[in-house]
Amino acid sequence: KQEVTQIPAALSVPEGENLVLNCSFTDSAIYNLQWFRQDPGKGLTSLLLIQSSQREQTSGRLNASLDKSSGRSTLYIAASQPGDSATYLCAVEGPGYSTLTFGKGTMLLVSP
Amino acid sequence: EPEVTQTPSHQVTQMGQEVILRCVPISNHLYFYWYRQILGQKVEFLVSFYNNEISEKSEIFDDQFSVERPDGSNFTLKIRSTKLEDSAMYFCASGETNYNEQFFGPGTRLTVL
Repeated sequence: KQEVTQIPAALSVPEGENLVLNCSFTDSAIYNLQWFRQDPGKGLTSLLLIQSSQREQTSGRLNASLDKSSGRSTLYIAASQPGDSATYLCAVEGPGYSTLTFGKGTMLLVSP
Repeated sequence: EPEVTQTPSHQVTQMGQEVILRCVPISNHLYFYWYRQILGQKVEFLVSFYNNEISEKSEIFDDQFSVERPDGSNFTLKIRSTKLEDSAMYFCASGETNYNEQFFGPGTRLTVL
């Protein structure tokens, strides 16, 4: 059974700092990995999708990498802003099924 | 930009009552999903739906649950006899194809008293 772990569980940084969020998964035979943002009491906003054949994806100040063989992904946020404060979720699709398995998330607080 | 919508945003019900949660997926998407998130816990998969039938379901999705696409736009989750432990945020998601990006709605917060 696929398990997804995210560390750290919480992170507090001053504005402007670059930061890295980590995600690991137990079964490397995934189809893709998706990073989401969740604001308190709200839905999930898709940030980046990395297909299993890809190594990284970039969107603005966000860069996600995938090392499928070692079962790891990182989300790099450059020049963090208070508006980046949210919980960041990592989810993998597969193996063998077209559904997402989620980690518990990293709660990020960026202070002005 | 197209988005997944869900109604109601919050539903309060008594234990044992039936509830129907509604979702309107993105219009050209073919794959539909329900997930739930109990407060403080991980988002969990419930069921996926394609071509008017269930394609996958988790062990959470027992006989109390059912899904339906009653028309060309809505996708519903029915819980027949709610229990206290069904209290959670329920998310609908859709995808253009499988093994691709899933887009989530804002969720319905279900409170069972």
